[in-house]
Amino acid sequence: GNSVTQMEGPVTLSEEAFLTINCTYTATGYPSLFWYVQYPGEGLQLLLKATKADDKGSNKGFEATYRKETTSFHLEKGSVQVSDSAVYFCALSDNFNKFYFGSGTKLNVKP
Amino acid sequence: GAVVSQHPSWVICKSGTSVKIECRSLDFQATTMFWYRQFPKQSLMLMATSNEGSKATYEQGVEKDKFLINHASLTLSTLTVTSAHPEDSSFYICSALTGVNTDTQYFGPGTRLTVL
Repeated sequence: GNSVTQMEGPVTLSEEAFLTINCTYTATGYPSLFWYVQYPGEGLQLLLKATKADDKGSNKGFEATYRKETTSFHLEKGSVQVSDSAVYFCALSDNFNKFYFGSGTKLNVKP
Repeated sequence: GAVVSQHPSWVICKSGTSVKIECRSLDFQATTMFWYRQFPKQSLMLMATSNEGSKATYEQGVEKDKFLINHASLTLSTLTVTSAHPEDSSFYICSALTGVNTDTQYFGPGTRLTVL
């Protein structure tokens, strides 16, 4: 079946540090991959997506590359800010538009 | 574009009463909407898929008689929690697809339900 595994948090970084949040997936077919961000008390916001192998999604300094050979979609940012503190969810969408979410990784960025 | 709203954002009710949560797509028509439940510090659990003009498809383990879903128009889906109990307290989030040939879901801000 389909599933998403992402690294457990919380991840605590100092401002301007490099961020990596690991995400791997198991899927049949050719899923699309997503990163969503959830700020406290809010719903999920689409951060970036990739629809096929080797695609790179990017937004607001975040990027992730769809790696079919390693079934991964790791989220990276070169220099985090305090405002990036949130919970990040990796997800995949199967051919029937059903989403499978990872467990979420909380990021704390300290000034 | 692709804005989804939910109402109310926060509701408290007494045990045994019913609560209706609305999910609206504000600037697009959504043939398909989804309802999720999120427990504290946990991921989202898909409850059901709602298609305009047809019955919702519920995930295994979700009581369809307890969580009534109606998708009466292309911009509105409602979730009614019937005879609510404290264990139904949760954060309920809806999402919508912007079209038939798209796989990106846009999420509402969520509704915090507390059952006393």
